[in-house]
Amino acid sequence: DQQVKQNSPSLSVQEGRISILNCDYTNSMFDYFLWYKKYPAEGPTFLISISSIKDKNEDGRFTVFLNKSAKHLSLHIVPSQPGDSAVYFCAASVSGANNLFFGTGTRLTVIP
Amino acid sequence: NAGVTQTPKFRILKIGQSMTLQCTQDMNHNYMYWYRQDPGMGLKLIYYSVGAGITDKGEVPNGYNVSRSTTEDFPLRLELAAPSQTSVYFCASSYSRGGLGGFGPGTRLTVL
Repeated sequence: DQQVKQNSPSLSVQEGRISILNCDYTNSMFDYFLWYKKYPAEGPTFLISISSIKDKNEDGRFTVFLNKSAKHLSLHIVPSQPGDSAVYFCAASVSGANNLFFGTGTRLTVIP
Repeated sequence: NAGVTQTPKFRILKIGQSMTLQCTQDMNHNYMYWYRQDPGMGLKLIYYSVGAGITDKGEVPNGYNVSRSTTEDFPLRLELAAPSQTSVYFCASSYSRGGLGGFGPGTRLTVL
């Protein structure tokens, strides 16, 4: 049972444009959400997170938006750069728990 | 800092064989985790540890064992390898719950 879903396996975007990666979740107990970036043959690296008390968190070119009523979050990358080409995983957790539930990932390709 | 290191990078096992996947971190993190990623799926938590001498099961613990005798090391043991354990295994560590810290580069295991 996949509690965190990323329905787009891949996304291609031109350099300089906005990349929008989407994530949906089913467990209403989730209150902390994270995005990870993964290059081939490397482990995931933490990118940005958001708590359920906020609806937006920004860090440089990366912004995460959370819509709790829709159980949906998105990651915006502006402007997109070729170095952003990677697989992006959405993850969610319940405060105080040790488990992160991951989505299946979206492969982003930024075309120069 | 080397961060989280894992050995080996690749391994092929025959059904019924045993092996230990090694994980070491040099960040003095109390929390350590083992995840597996099957093709086309998100990462799933196998076992975690909140400190030396303390381990607990995650979402998919069957067929695995762990130990945590030091803060730095968190080995994962497969006793009787099965084809269903073919996966990429990631170790992670964190200063707090949920795996916000670093992931290792992964061990790609194939069981034939």
